[in-house]
Amino acid sequence: QTVVTQEPSFSVSPGGTVTLTCGLSSDSVSTNYYPSWYQQTPGQAPRTLIYRTNIRSSGVPDRFSGSILGNKAALTLTGAQADDESDYICMLYMGSGISVFGGGTKLTVL
Amino acid sequence: EVQVLESGGGLVQPGGSLRLSCAASGFTFSDYAMNWVRQAPGKGLEWVSVTSASGGNTYYADSVKGRFTISRDNSQSTLYLQMNSLRVEDTAVYFCAKGNGDNVNSSPDYWGQGTLVTISS
Repeated sequence: QTVVTQEPSFSVSPGGTVTLTCGLSSDSVSTNYYPSWYQQTPGQAPRTLIYRTNIRSSGVPDRFSGSILGNKAALTLTGAQADDESDYICMLYMGSGISVFGGGTKLTVL
Repeated sequence: EVQVLESGGGLVQPGGSLRLSCAASGFTFSDYAMNWVRQAPGKGLEWVSVTSASGGNTYYADSVKGRFTISRDNSQSTLYLQMNSLRVEDTAVYFCAKGNGDNVNSSPDYWGQGTLVTISS
């Protein structure tokens, strides 16, 4: 069973930069996995930030960017703000129509 | 404005059935793949199913394969999820999400607010 891995938690100072990653238990992540990233606050629907590795969804500020770093997908947030405090979840396309979400990273801005 | 609106959630006994609907507007529904994603209380997101833009290709997570059926009516801009043989562990908020393209590798870009499905005796 393939597992999509994310850091359980991360913290960043206001105005700082943070990179969250999304890996695989048994492979390297590449663009072929079409990594996507979502932001979710408790009780709310997810909001799409990034799809197809590095394409920002409509209305997403350019403080958010996606990339492949080494063998993982990465979401970088620059100039962190208080309202960026949220859960960040990645999703990978595994092929044969199947997608899998990671467990999410709880980002604290303090 | 792109909108997707889920309906059909509710309380069902184990072994029962339920059909969720998702009404779409603000885009050409027949041009985009559509996904169902669920979130159990206090848990993370779980991808459930996807249908291609035409409806000709459908795929499921192992946890629901053989019990759930995704379908779409492109003439009505509506997505469905027929859920049979429901289990307690199917309890979750179910989100409808528009794909960013027509293929089944299209990840969600727009999400509904979700509909709660509770399986309990």
